[in-house]
Amino acid sequence: NAGVTQTPKFQVLKTGQSMTLQCAQDMNHNSMYWYRQDPGMGLRLIYYSASEGTTDKGEVPNGYNVSRLNKREFSLRLESAAPSQTSVYFCASSERSWQFSGYTFGSGTRLTVV
Amino acid sequence: QQQVKQSPQSLIVQKGGISIINCAYENTAFDYFPWYQQFPGKGPALLIAIRPDVSEKKEGRFTISFNKSAKQFSLHIMDSQPGDSATYFCAARAVETSGSRLTFGEGTQLTVNP
Repeated sequence: NAGVTQTPKFQVLKTGQSMTLQCAQDMNHNSMYWYRQDPGMGLRLIYYSASEGTTDKGEVPNGYNVSRLNKREFSLRLESAAPSQTSVYFCASSERSWQFSGYTFGSGTRLTVV
Repeated sequence: QQQVKQSPQSLIVQKGGISIINCAYENTAFDYFPWYQQFPGKGPALLIAIRPDVSEKKEGRFTISFNKSAKQFSLHIMDSQPGDSATYFCAARAVETSGSRLTFGEGTQLTVNP
């Protein structure tokens, strides 16, 4: 099925551990995004990549890094996890600006930091 | 800084009733206003979207009303069904030199009672 695939679906980390969330899309979209979802706060943009080879900070980038590995893949790394990073993380992709018709989201990664 | 404000936070409607969710925005550069529907454990999915050159868009039981001068838009769900029970997010797109990105409202949890 075409779409956005995120791995893993669930993860529990200890404070200070590191991990990488993986995201891949097969829709030939140029732009990719990482959001976090917390109760009562909606979806907040962490980082995005308008096209292969570019990345930019979003609203809440502190404590995260990203890599746009190629056109298909966009990973999110937590170098030293903190309890405040407990959240549900969503990857999304979209067409470039002049063809934009909204995002396609993955099914999410539920991360708990203890 | 939250640029899209959504209300109410939660909404309970009887089957067959009308569900109304409201959003207000500040940035007059926003040029695309989608609504997303999210079921538990799933990623948000595009429901309906509108551009600011029209005042209303209808798709089946779902209608967006848009008031450009008031910088407000709303989602109306006619003949609400229990299967509509989900979290709804409004969003607005900004086009920047680094690409397009959506800013989301805080979300509304809709419950439709049978």
